[in-house]
Formats: sequence, C-alpha cells, structure tokens
Amino acid sequence: GESVGLHLPTLSVQEGDNSIINCAYSNSASDYFIWYKQESGKGPQFIIDIRSNMDKRQGQRVTVLLNKTVKHLSLQIAATQPGDSAVYFCAEKWSGGSYIPTFGRGTSLIVHP
Amino acid sequence: DTAVSQTPKYLVTQMGNDKSIKCEQNLGHDTMYWYKQDSKKFLKIMFSYNNKELIINETVPNRFSPKSPDKAHLNLHINSLELGDSAVYFCASSQERSVQETQYFGPGTRLLVL
Repeated sequence: GESVGLHLPTLSVQEGDNSIINCAYSNSASDYFIWYKQESGKGPQFIIDIRSNMDKRQGQRVTVLLNKTVKHLSLQIAATQPGDSAVYFCAEKWSGGSYIPTFGRGTSLIVHP
Repeated sequence: DTAVSQTPKYLVTQMGNDKSIKCEQNLGHDTMYWYKQDSKKFLKIMFSYNNKELIINETVPNRFSPKSPDKAHLNLHINSLELGDSAVYFCASSQERSVQETQYFGPGTRLLVL
C-alpha cells in the first residue's frame, strides 16, 4: 500500500507485481518531465522522460503517463524486481524558464521478494 | 569509468569549521550543478555553472562558495559550518543548458556537522 504524511511516501509491492508511482506537478506551463531513480547511497539516475505533447511513453519495463489536465504524472514499472527498490523522483521543466528541473518530493518503492 | 565523481563521500566535522567538496566530470559537459538533499530526500538546486561561469545562484547563504577551475570541475567550499548544513550534497552535469538535457548526478557527499 501507499502512505503519505511527514515521511517520504512509500509504496510496498511484491516481486513480480506491477508498480505505479504517482506525482503531482506544480507548474501548468511545464513542458518536459523526467523520472529519476535514486538507490540507497547513490545519486539520482535518469529513467525516462516525456514531453508535454505526449501523454504516454514507454521504455524497458517502464511507462510514463502524463495527464496535463490535472497536472499528474505516473511511472509504471512492470514485473517489479528487488533491484527496483529505490526512491523515485519526478521532475518538471519549463522551456520558457530555467533549464533546471524542479524535483518532486520522492516516493520510496520497496519490493519484497 | 565514473562519469561524475565527488570527494569525499563522507564528511564529519565540527560547527564553525570550513570544508570543501570536490566534483569532477569526465563527460565533456559544459554545465555543472550543486544540489542539496535534506533528510526528507528533498532535492534543491544551489548553483549552476556553464563553462566556468556562474549562471544560477539560488538563495544560498554566502558561506557557500562554488568555484570552477575548469569546465570539468566544480568545487563547493563552505565556511563556518552550521548544524543545518548537514545534508547530502550532489554534484551533477549536463551537456548544455537546455530543457531536454539529462543531468548526470555524482554519488553524493554526506556531510554531518556536529
């Protein structure tokens, strides 16, 4: 299940399940979105990106969905593996503004074998 | 080969001390960054340099001073360390300053101020 609050939101899944990590972004003008994965003790690592003229993009075992109407982004991970355990961040950029991404809060994904 | 490297990985020091964190990237990128990640994992941009020139300086105490001796290096010097400076500091780089450019992060420096 998922828990929110003062602590980092956490999603716990069983190995082999599909995972869905959600993100609400803040700037309706944002036109480029990125998902990063941060494993314990490491820096964030790029997973997948999507431009605002798309609503879906697929990678290897990952799919990003974008709903601009409600400013919502999701990352779907198929057949989740223990190696997917990490903190996942969404980030938004606006081509009319800074090239620096604004990071979301992060969601901790825990995959149980 | 490590693309973006930082030293040291861990830094434990007393309040009031001055310390430096070094960052190097071997990707040939033009733009480098420093981020601070707090205990709640929130990532906040501190500085951005492009070709050794400071481009972005977010609201950061002037005790923090970045220095870029060349395009491949961006060091962070912190004077008069305070307890609230305890965090993980990440260096990152990207090819250029554009929306589509991916940022590559270093492994982080875990700073603990006692």
